[in-house]
Amino acid sequence: QSVLTQPPSVSGAPGQRVTISCTGSSSNIGAGYDVHWYQQLPGTAPKLLIYGNNNRPSGVPDRFSVSKSGTSASLAITGLQAEDESDYYCQSYDSSLSGWVFGGGTKLTVL
Amino acid sequence: QVQLQQSGPGLVKPSQTLSLTCAISGDSVSSNSAAWNWIRQSPSRGLEWLGRTYYRSKWYYEYAVSVKSRITINPDTSKNQFSLQLSSVSPEDTAVYYCTRGVGGTYSTLTFDLWGRGTLVTVSS
Repeated sequence: QSVLTQPPSVSGAPGQRVTISCTGSSSNIGAGYDVHWYQQLPGTAPKLLIYGNNNRPSGVPDRFSVSKSGTSASLAITGLQAEDESDYYCQSYDSSLSGWVFGGGTKLTVL
Repeated sequence: QVQLQQSGPGLVKPSQTLSLTCAISGDSVSSNSAAWNWIRQSPSRGLEWLGRTYYRSKWYYEYAVSVKSRITINPDTSKNQFSLQLSSVSPEDTAVYYCTRGVGGTYSTLTFDLWGRGTLVTVSS
């Protein structure tokens, strides 16, 4: 099981807003380490989606945003589009493991 | 445009050593602002960071606790590439292996901004 916990799946209709949670512990998110998010389309490598405090690589729309509180973080997607259907992963640093850790991934289905 | 090109066998026998190489184009393995990582992904273990190497006046190596006794990551400056060796493999090491570039000045801000295409490595006799 992954160090960071994500819901296995979420879904929403086009145009709606969905959120994906990422729950950690006092040795990672709760220790103040940044949380970053990746998008993975089937058969491809993960792609950096959003990092730190709402920083987006070139080409990522501002429909994607993040928040963090305590030992948890969330990715929000507004104005859901069919192209958003993908797997999403959170990532942070864990001081107990002395390494970077990921969530188990959340499959987003656009209804 | 920076690219990572992976190579290596897709089938390894149990107890043997898994070896993969990642060739870098458009950046340098000796970069003072990047770190070069290996990450694997399997249905049972999810995404798992394995280790990294980076150059800051000298070479540094960091490995995940889960594989620390079995892993070696080496840079090759003459070919601008880096490699992964994982010894004493078992079927549990079956996964898609990715080489990645890590950027960001601290453990907290580090992100994996560039990924290779991945190599499916199956451990089986």
